[in-house]
Amino acid sequence: AQSVTQLGSHVSVSEGALVLLRCNYSSSVPPYLFWYVQYPNQGLQLLLKYTSAATLVKGINGFEAEFKKSETSFHLTKPSAHMSDAAEYFCAVSSGGYQKVTFGTGTKLQVIP
Amino acid sequence: DTAVSQTPKYLVTQMGNDKSIKCEQNLGHDTMYWYKQDSKKFLKIMFSYNNKELIINETVPNRFSPKSPDKAHLNLHINSLELGDSAVYFCASSRPDATNEKLFFGSGTQLSVL
Repeated sequence: AQSVTQLGSHVSVSEGALVLLRCNYSSSVPPYLFWYVQYPNQGLQLLLKYTSAATLVKGINGFEAEFKKSETSFHLTKPSAHMSDAAEYFCAVSSGGYQKVTFGTGTKLQVIP
Repeated sequence: DTAVSQTPKYLVTQMGNDKSIKCEQNLGHDTMYWYKQDSKKFLKIMFSYNNKELIINETVPNRFSPKSPDKAHLNLHINSLELGDSAVYFCASSRPDATNEKLFFGSGTQLSVL
């Protein structure tokens, strides 16, 4: 069984401030972990993915995430928030065949000017 | 060119009606999916097809019937629509049997059942 918990359904940051979105996972086998972003009225787009090659993963738009096995976490960070980062962010885990991906409940990021 | 396209974008209908949502991908992927996103943004897989064969069926009511005429298309037909079916439905595709491959999503179909 696999699951993902995203702490905080809403996060507000000021423009230029650090963005930290939290994700904890549960998986019975070594997981593959993903962060997706959803802009209003659009489908999800991949930000980054962890596939065991490196624990610190860099993605698009300046985002990165660090896989910490001891904490079962995969938090998403960005040093400086832009207004264009306002969106819904989903953490996801996959550990089975044929892409049975389980998504978290999402975190809505608000960026305040 | 849109990689994963689904139609219609909006669908408003009465309870009890039957409706279909179409999905096409031009990425050459073998695997396609239907996801349902509810009003709280929770995203849950409904079906997965690999090369026209049903792989995942996540305890979805049998009023929902996916059909894959070829590996580039995965349509979703819904019979006897209910209020609880109101949601955004996303089609997605990926390379086959690759747990670390990313999903490519369509832009969604917002279904409103009145």
